Amino acid sequence: EVQLVESGGGLVQPGRSLRLSCAASGFTFDDYAMHWVRQAPGKGLEWVSGISWNSGSIGYADSVKGRFTISRDNAKNSLYLQMNSLRAEDTALYYCAKGIAAAGPGAGFDYWGQGTLVTVSS
Amino acid sequence: SYVLTQPPSVSVAPGKTARITCGGNNIGSKSVHWYQQKPGQAPVLVIYYDSDRPSGIPERFSGSNSGNTATLTISRVEAGDEADYYCQVWDSRLGVFGGGTKLTVL
Repeated sequence: EVQLVESGGGLVQPGRSLRLSCAASGFTFDDYAMHWVRQAPGKGLEWVSGISWNSGSIGYADSVKGRFTISRDNAKNSLYLQMNSLRAEDTALYYCAKGIAAAGPGAGFDYWGQGTLVTVSS
Repeated sequence: SYVLTQPPSVSVAPGKTARITCGGNNIGSKSVHWYQQKPGQAPVLVIYYDSDRPSGIPERFSGSNSGNTATLTISRVEAGDEADYYCQVWDSRLGVFGGGTKLTVL
């Protein structure tokens, strides 16, 4: 059974940093691209960032480019999101999602975690 | 940036057919994926690559994509289909979601 478990969310002040983690199990982690998707309270889905199976291809939404860094450790079956210079508008539930394919672009997301809540507020 | 337009809401009676559209410039040239999200739950992939169904998704769910509109069709709608539905594509290697459509089963 595929499982994605996010952690690392919490309350943080504007301008500070937070690191999210996603522990994956139930599939061959290094065969697939992985992504972060967020959802602000009461709002729709927003793709944040994606990383290919071998970290050779990485993409970011314009809203987070230059502030967020995605990475993965295939030996630990883990995905990460380093979030710096956080803003109030980054407040959201952050989902870890498994890509259907090894590379990100073009493919959908076939498994999702339950999300970790990030609240940016003073 | 690429924009996907969905109707905010669609209502349908049980047993009828619901059609949820997703509009985008020449979306027919892209692969479209659809997600269902029920309150308090993570999204679930219901259609990928325009018209493929993941295992476990009922055959009542189908998709099409042509020109400037992609469509998610739900046949013989059930009360349990009530949810938010999102379309998603890739543009210039960036993920793009539609704004979502709330499906109400009357």
